[in-house]
Amino acid sequence: GAGVSQSPSNKVTEKGKDVELRCDPISGHTALYWYRQRLGQGLEFLIYFQGNSAPDKSGLPSDRFSAERTGESVSTLTIQRTQQEDSAVYLCASSLVRGGNQPQHFGDGTRLSIL
Amino acid sequence: GQQVMQIPQYQHVQEGEDFTTYCNSSTTLSNIQWYKQRPGGHPVFLIQLVKSGEVKKQKRLTFQFGEAKKNSSLHITATQTTDVGTYVCAGYSSASKIIFGSGTRLSIRP
Repeated sequence: GAGVSQSPSNKVTEKGKDVELRCDPISGHTALYWYRQRLGQGLEFLIYFQGNSAPDKSGLPSDRFSAERTGESVSTLTIQRTQQEDSAVYLCASSLVRGGNQPQHFGDGTRLSIL
Repeated sequence: GQQVMQIPQYQHVQEGEDFTTYCNSSTTLSNIQWYKQRPGGHPVFLIQLVKSGEVKKQKRLTFQFGEAKKNSSLHITATQTTDVGTYVCAGYSSASKIIFGSGTRLSIRP
């Protein structure tokens, strides 16, 4: 597609369940980023991929969060044993390469609500 | 650690008035990017500044990068209702780490 695609767009689940969020970056973009945005708050960096490798996992809030990327394309962010504080919009972005001179292109996000 | 602060957090202006948001970094930046996020939408890239003291314009929007490359500003002249949204700066350090500011939410009275 022309842009970054994320699915599902909305996810409501019960506390304690696992969730998997998907991101399809722009074709040819080697860098992929995951962010969390709580209501009324700014972007919180979670993790980035260069190709299929994740050199920087420093933003992952806990060991309940994990992410992978395959084929230098699709990425999934998995949250295990969800907690209410995980409720947020999870945004994915991609850029042509990793680096400060590349604009990031964002998807529409997945709105996650934990009951 | 590196921080990027944005002020003000909110700004409510009368249509036609000017608007400015400021972005300040605790460390020197290699470059800075500005994004706009409409209500309910995702951030959209506006511009990038790289050089010390750089000034760039996009129609009614003027972007500046400070001489010390630690601060930046976005100024909108004669705001219109289409300018509503949150303006977010993103600073890149020499270590290629990106830090997003918390954004300035602009609302406009018609």
